[in-house]
Amino acid sequence: DSGVTQTPKHLITATGQRVTLRCSPRSGDLSVYWYQQSLDQGLQFLIQYYNGEERAKGNILERFSAQQFPDLHSELNLSSLELGDSALYFCASSPGVAGANVLTFGAGSRLTVL
Amino acid sequence: AQSVTQLGSHVSVSEGALVLLRCNYSSSVPPYLFWYVQYPNQGLQLLLKYTTGATLVKGINGFEAEFKKSETSFHLTKPSAHMSDAAEYFCAVSDQATGANNLFFGTGTRLTVIP
Repeated sequence: DSGVTQTPKHLITATGQRVTLRCSPRSGDLSVYWYQQSLDQGLQFLIQYYNGEERAKGNILERFSAQQFPDLHSELNLSSLELGDSALYFCASSPGVAGANVLTFGAGSRLTVL
Repeated sequence: AQSVTQLGSHVSVSEGALVLLRCNYSSSVPPYLFWYVQYPNQGLQLLLKYTTGATLVKGINGFEAEFKKSETSFHLTKPSAHMSDAAEYFCAVSDQATGANNLFFGTGTRLTVIP
């Protein structure tokens, strides 16, 4: 157990729908990251939050949004889902934003869009 | 911009043989480099990292990597492969150019260990 908790572990939904993925960071970590892993795109950085504020944005689609709450948990919202959104979504956390910080990953949420 | 390139999407070795997984990086600033391992149906686990100092870095499970600035490489090695090493391995570089520290990952190398 890495200490990073992601729910749900598996999610099956239909095109056009909206889902929310949840992440609780490791105790004491202030920074949360979201990554998408798919066969064709590999591991893609989506977005990072630090202590409630957006810190960095990667290849995140406009249909996707995220936030980090005062208790430091984070949610990734995916809307108007398409077949191509089927992927494994990872959350990671780190103590801060220093480059040497190690990212600790959760087990992932597997999204299947039918 | 920072990036990493992993040469070889699949590597097969015999049990007991040397493991060598290749990673080359591109960075406009001194890089922070990482190797992560992903076992089936699991998240990514840190194997080792290089930030500053000693260029030969030792990690968990007998793995080590050497930072070679002249070759812009950070190859991962293990002297003797074990069946339990079968997994996917990712090299990553920390994005320091923008002041953030998210990781850019390579495309991964799937290691198969043959008994």
